[in-house]
Amino acid sequence: EVQLVQSGAEVKKPGESLKISCKGSGYSFTNYWIAWVRQMPGRGLEWLGIINPSDSETRYSPSFQGQVAISADKSISTVYLQWSSLKASDTAMYYCARLNNVLTGYLDYWGQGTLVTVSS
Amino acid sequence: DIQMTQSPSSLSASIGDRIAITCRASQSLNNFLNWYRQKPGKAPKLLIYGASNLQSGVPSRTSASGSGRNFTLTISSLQPEDFATYFCQQSYSIPYTFGQGTKLEIK
Repeated sequence: EVQLVQSGAEVKKPGESLKISCKGSGYSFTNYWIAWVRQMPGRGLEWLGIINPSDSETRYSPSFQGQVAISADKSISTVYLQWSSLKASDTAMYYCARLNNVLTGYLDYWGQGTLVTVSS
Repeated sequence: DIQMTQSPSSLSASIGDRIAITCRASQSLNNFLNWYRQKPGKAPKLLIYGASNLQSGVPSRTSASGSGRNFTLTISSLQPEDFATYFCQQSYSIPYTFGQGTKLEIK
């Protein structure tokens, strides 16, 4: 069974750093790109970027380039989303999801989400 | 970025009704259009990929069509589990942007 299991909820202060994770299992982890998607409270879905776990090639949305960093450790089948200095506006649910194929681009399996709350 | 516009933003319907949600792109997508359903407090779930292909396990009362810039998701004979928020997503050009969502509520 394909599963993406994300790390738990986080509460941070503005200016702090954070790294959340997404661990894949039940499939060949290095054969599928992983995407990160943001959902701010009561809002829609925003596509942050994707990573190829086999070689850590990344592609970012221009809106999020430089705001977040996506990385991977294929030895433990895990992808990460990282902030160096959080802002209150980063408060959101963050989902990882598997791209069925980087060319077709649809997200066929999703993690359960990680809620990030940034508040002073 | 390609802009995706869904309509309506919200919709009220009854059990057994047939509904349609539309999604319009700011440029042609060559059928790289996908649909997701999200229930409150849950992750989105893939329903349709490639404009009209039903994801495995999705009931056949769900269908979709369209090409170019205009696409439609149709659900016939609504069931209680269909009341949720629906998102379209283009996967033609990175960033693979989403529509703003359509909330389907019980009348």
